[in-house]
Amino acid sequence: QKEVEQDPGPLSVPEGAIVSLNCTYSNSAFQYFMWYRQYSRKGPELLMYTYSSGNKEDGRFTAQVDKSSKYISLFIRDSQPSDSATYLCAMKETGANNLFFGTGTRLTVIP
Amino acid sequence: DVKVTQSSRYLVKRTGEKVFLECVQDMDHENMFWYRQDPGLGLRLIYFSYDVKMKEKGDIPEGYSVSREKKERFSLILESASTNQTSMYLCASSLGTGTDTQYFGPGTRLTVL
Repeated sequence: QKEVEQDPGPLSVPEGAIVSLNCTYSNSAFQYFMWYRQYSRKGPELLMYTYSSGNKEDGRFTAQVDKSSKYISLFIRDSQPSDSATYLCAMKETGANNLFFGTGTRLTVIP
Repeated sequence: DVKVTQSSRYLVKRTGEKVFLECVQDMDHENMFWYRQDPGLGLRLIYFSYDVKMKEKGDIPEGYSVSREKKERFSLILESASTNQTSMYLCASSLGTGTDTQYFGPGTRLTVL
């Protein structure tokens, strides 16, 4: 079993839809949770970074962590064609250098 | 803004060639990482370095070596390139505080013929 599981999609939604992207994990020591966005043929860019449980909002993006269920989510409101990308979740333990990544979910927002 | 640059965006090499991939970061980060990314497999860690001249093997170090002679520069070396090393190679860096995250370069798409 992988440490981090992520549905690869692909996911297609119409413009303006609310998108929900999810990851599950098995290591209860993970404390830091990230979402990266990766456009085609580019490197991942950090989108959201949260610590422990709870919600964090940044514009149209909301990251949610439920440590009791070992489940994290990224919500995108009012999705735009420019949101079309692969979204990677990542997480790590306190004090650790290494990140554990999901395999990524490919999202397409259709105009 | 953190800037991580990689020497080439696209590279085509022949089987058996020695290949050097260079990565430079400009934020005085302690840690640097090399990953490869393949469809369906996600990001896999090849090597990382937590200080100059220090390195640690990641999940898939076979066929690769690394060099970190200066803090800002981390090189990945394919001693004898093989076709199964055709991949997207991503470099990342992090401050090294234990609570920080990684910042990625644009990637090098390597094709080995």
